[in-house]
Amino acid sequence: DAGVIQSPRHEVTEMGQEVTLRCKPISGHDYLFWYRQTMMRGLELLIYFNNNVPIDDSGMPEDRFSAKMPNASFSTLKIQPSEPRDSAVYFCASGPWGEKNTEAFFGQGTRLTVV
Amino acid sequence: QKEVEQDPGPLSVPEGAIVSLNCTYSNSAFQYFMWYRQYSRKGPELLMYTYSSGNKEDGRFTAQVDKSSKYISLFIRDSQPSDSATYLCAMRFWSWGKLQFGAGTQVVVTP
Repeated sequence: DAGVIQSPRHEVTEMGQEVTLRCKPISGHDYLFWYRQTMMRGLELLIYFNNNVPIDDSGMPEDRFSAKMPNASFSTLKIQPSEPRDSAVYFCASGPWGEKNTEAFFGQGTRLTVV
Repeated sequence: QKEVEQDPGPLSVPEGAIVSLNCTYSNSAFQYFMWYRQYSRKGPELLMYTYSSGNKEDGRFTAQVDKSSKYISLFIRDSQPSDSATYLCAMRFWSWGKLQFGAGTQVVVTP
């Protein structure tokens, strides 16, 4: 398996524009997580899905952020409108269900810069 | 106060030395403890996983959990320059669910 695949790897956009980040989880994994990483706040969980259903979105900063998982092999994180403070590395991770000794596998991340 | 505290470093050690990393936490309900390694511009990858208190060893890596003190540690023996990375502790309440990460400690192993 190629692992968790995120696109794009880098995104530079102007303030006010819509940004869409994409994630393809590892096939067969039931859980999908979106994280954001910054120097100031570290790694923060934004939202996670189980079997395509959002379970906990309490980490989503505000209504400008939305996430969808239309099927088991694809998820998006959308920011509309984007702001400079959204600049961060966004990670998607996936993991199997019911395994106590296995964990989430992270993608390479999308480095977002909002100018 | 953050739920998980971790010194961000950087921690610089000479090659061959033992690297000692730790995290403290405030919520005694955490039961599952992990250490992740993150190389620059890469995603975190799982290094060690421990359930409840005790020690776990894997090659040069040893993870320790002391639930009574709310303190977890990671030791890297015979450190190599390739161990230079950021090490993040993480923990959660149940066998699955939301992971709470520490801030990460940057480790630099000098040849």
